[in-house]
Amino acid sequence: KAGVTQTPRYLIKTRGQQVTLSCSPISGHRSVSWYQQTPGQGLQFLFEYFSETQRNKGNFPGRFSGRQFSNSRSEMNVSTLELGDSALYLCASSLGGGLGGTEAFFGQGTRLTVV
Amino acid sequence: GESVGLHLPTLSVQEGDNSIINCAYSNSASDYFIWYKQESGKGPQFIIDIRSNMDKRQGQRVTVLLNKTVKHLSLQIAATQPGDSAVYFCADKGLLNEKLTFGTGTRLTIIP
Repeated sequence: KAGVTQTPRYLIKTRGQQVTLSCSPISGHRSVSWYQQTPGQGLQFLFEYFSETQRNKGNFPGRFSGRQFSNSRSEMNVSTLELGDSALYLCASSLGGGLGGTEAFFGQGTRLTVV
Repeated sequence: GESVGLHLPTLSVQEGDNSIINCAYSNSASDYFIWYKQESGKGPQFIIDIRSNMDKRQGQRVTVLLNKTVKHLSLQIAATQPGDSAVYFCADKGLLNEKLTFGTGTRLTIIP
């Protein structure tokens, strides 16, 4: 069974640009969550999508957005990039039954560098 | 607010010895806890989980202990090997919620 796939693995963007990251969850998983990982803030929750609907949202500005498609694949978008957006962006997939007990599996992440 | 924190940022252990990594959480409504291992350049890898109605769970060479009275979680790794060197995170989910709250992580270094 294939794992969680994130593309691209690496990105370099300039301040002010926007970026779109992609995540393909494990087959059969309906929940996709996004996290930002930085040395200073650790792993922080961005948002979660389930059945094409945003179900949870973290404390990030509106420049960070996402969506989920009918095949459960998800994208996240960051507009008007700032230097502080440089981070490893991780996607996690789970069954998403909402019972709080399902395992969440992570992709390898997309390393975004903003210059 | 809700948080999951780690007691120690680094831990060095002799190869072959047992490792114990600790974690404290503050959300009494947390229902589910996971330990992840993250190696350099990779995403977090699921190690073991435990639900709040359990106090111990064992896997292959790993054991997770949960003490709900003091809101404490630990990961025990038996007979540590060089491949166990990584950063270990604990995380929790609240009830009916997919959002994971992560601790700051503990870097485990295995001394040959």
